[in-house]
Amino acid sequence: DTGVSQDPRHKITKRGQNVTFRCDPISEHNRLYWYRQTLGQGPEFLTYFQNEAQLEKSRLLSDRFSAERPKGSFSTLEIQRTEQGDSAMYLCASSLRGDIANTGELFFGEGSRLTVL
Amino acid sequence: KQEVTQIPAALSVPEGENLVLNCSFTDSAIYNLQWFRQDPGKGLTSLLLIQSSQREQTSGRLNASLDKSSGRSTLYIAASQPGDSATYLCAVKVGQAGTALIFGKGTTLSVSS
Repeated sequence: DTGVSQDPRHKITKRGQNVTFRCDPISEHNRLYWYRQTLGQGPEFLTYFQNEAQLEKSRLLSDRFSAERPKGSFSTLEIQRTEQGDSAMYLCASSLRGDIANTGELFFGEGSRLTVL
Repeated sequence: KQEVTQIPAALSVPEGENLVLNCSFTDSAIYNLQWFRQDPGKGLTSLLLIQSSQREQTSGRLNASLDKSSGRSTLYIAASQPGDSATYLCAVKVGQAGTALIFGKGTTLSVSS
């Protein structure tokens, strides 16, 4: 399977603990996005990388959240001192800069569901 | 600030019916518009992408149209099937190809057999 891969698929943690999610984009996709989705809502943008550079961050990304893409391939999203309000589905997407039509089409992974008790 | 609205929030139809899902956006300066399908507890599957210069795109029983000037897009599903039951999300990209998508809240479709 060469789609976007996310791990773990589901994480249950206690309030105050740190959690980390990993995203492996489609091979050769240089753009990578993180979104958060709560029940009944559409995905909300968190942050965006082009290669290893973090080009855009939403104000939703508080100082407890940090994302990295150190080698321009996989990315991690860490949440420190989790709160119950962090419970959500965390979605990763990738796209290819410079595809023939420059469509900017995004391809999403299956998501990582976080439950904070 | 770009806002995306999807109407209706939920829709129930009998199998075989043709249906239309609506999406509206407030800023017509979009780069493209993408329709997704999401099954419960799953990620998003891209259905159709319409570039700002295009009027419509078709894939199988799905047809998406775009009217930038009025800030509207529709997703037409022909001959609906129970397997079409899912949440359908509309998202717009503003500015350049690399910018983030802005999503609506989705329309949850239920097709009964």
